Amino acid sequence: EAGVTQFPSHSVIEKGQTVTLRCDPISGHDNLYWYRRVMGKEIKFLLHFVKESKQDESGMPNNRFLAERTGGTYSTLKVQPAELEDSGVYFCASSPSLNYGYTFGSGTRLTVV
Amino acid sequence: QQQVKQSPQSLIVQKGGISIINCAYENTAFDYFPWYQQFPGKGPALLIAIRPDVSEKKEGRFTISFNKSAKQFSLHIMDSQPGDSATYFCAAKKGGSEKLVFGKGMKLTVNP
Repeated sequence: EAGVTQFPSHSVIEKGQTVTLRCDPISGHDNLYWYRRVMGKEIKFLLHFVKESKQDESGMPNNRFLAERTGGTYSTLKVQPAELEDSGVYFCASSPSLNYGYTFGSGTRLTVV
Repeated sequence: QQQVKQSPQSLIVQKGGISIINCAYENTAFDYFPWYQQFPGKGPALLIAIRPDVSEKKEGRFTISFNKSAKQFSLHIMDSQPGDSATYFCAAKKGGSEKLVFGKGMKLTVNP
């Protein structure tokens, strides 16, 4: 069984540019989560999809961040325009049902310069 | 406001020693407490988890101790091995929510 795949693994962009991160969850997992770890800080929740619907987006920092999950399969997280404080590692995770352990991807390290 | 506080930030132990990582939480609505292990370049992986109806859970060399009244829980790694060198995160989740709240993480180094 393939794990959670994230692309790209690293991205370096300039302030003001746009970046799109992609997550492919484990096949059949309806629940998809985005988390972020800023250097030295804790891993923080961004949002939760159930299939294509946003179940909880309370952790999204501001309207520069847009997450989508078209068709309930892969998900994208777009940052537009990127700011310096957006730098960090963005993790995606998936689970087959609620109250079930997550499987995390390896993350995308985003650096905004 | 940090809801889950983890300590220490880093730990160095000798092979065969015991590693102990502590976490404290504020929110009494939390009812699920997992520990995650993360190796460099990888995502966090679930190691072991506990619910507040038990005070201890053991899986192999890994044990969670839970103190509900003190709002604290800890991870003990017995007979620590160099392969255990990783970053460990404690986390907590409220009933009815799928949102995990993480501690800041602790980097463990086990010397051979």
